[in-house]
Amino acid sequence: GIQVEQSPPDLILQEGANSTLRCNFSDSVNNLQWFHQNPWGQLINLFYIPSGTKQNGRLSATTVATERYSLLYISSSQTTDSGVYFCAVGLYNQGGKLIFGQGTELSVKP
Amino acid sequence: KAGVTQTPRYLIKTRGQQVTLSCSPISGHRSVSWYQQTPGQGLQFLFEYFSETQRNKGNFPGRFSGRQFSNSRSEMNVSTLELGDSALYLCASRPTSLDEQFFGPGTRLTVL
Repeated sequence: GIQVEQSPPDLILQEGANSTLRCNFSDSVNNLQWFHQNPWGQLINLFYIPSGTKQNGRLSATTVATERYSLLYISSSQTTDSGVYFCAVGLYNQGGKLIFGQGTELSVKP
Repeated sequence: KAGVTQTPRYLIKTRGQQVTLSCSPISGHRSVSWYQQTPGQGLQFLFEYFSETQRNKGNFPGRFSGRQFSNSRSEMNVSTLELGDSALYLCASRPTSLDEQFFGPGTRLTVL
């Protein structure tokens, strides 16, 4: 089956620093989403980005589908950015099934 | 629009019991998917329902089952609970024409 690998697994930053999180996937996908899991466990949608580039405030994401990777950029990080970031992909003809990476745990220190 | 809601939020059961979890999707969303999150296995797909029919199923034993009602609300049931079933169970919904999924707050199940 498809493999979804996220790197790095852990990241510690000082407030104000920038970071790049990476998601590699081993097959063609028709859905790619980035989520931030809050301390209570809920997955918060960041981007739906099967291809191309999107920006939302301090966050932006790029997916290069032909090379099977996606990047999530966080600029001017804040302590509230702390938590686990997940990449999840969906395959053609598999409806709503998402395959998740193992996540990147981000800790932003004041 | 209200988001995806899940009830109950927390649940404690003992081995051998069964449990039913409920999920109400975003209004207008007809697809509901369920996921299990554990520290060891991460987030894993359980099943998806669309228009009261199971469309896809993950690699879980038959003790895990679900259903969807005509109003798109969904329930999942776990019978003969095992300690390893302790997990966060997440429900997601999506509109028919799009792939983007939206998750509920989850139900945290503890099996003693």
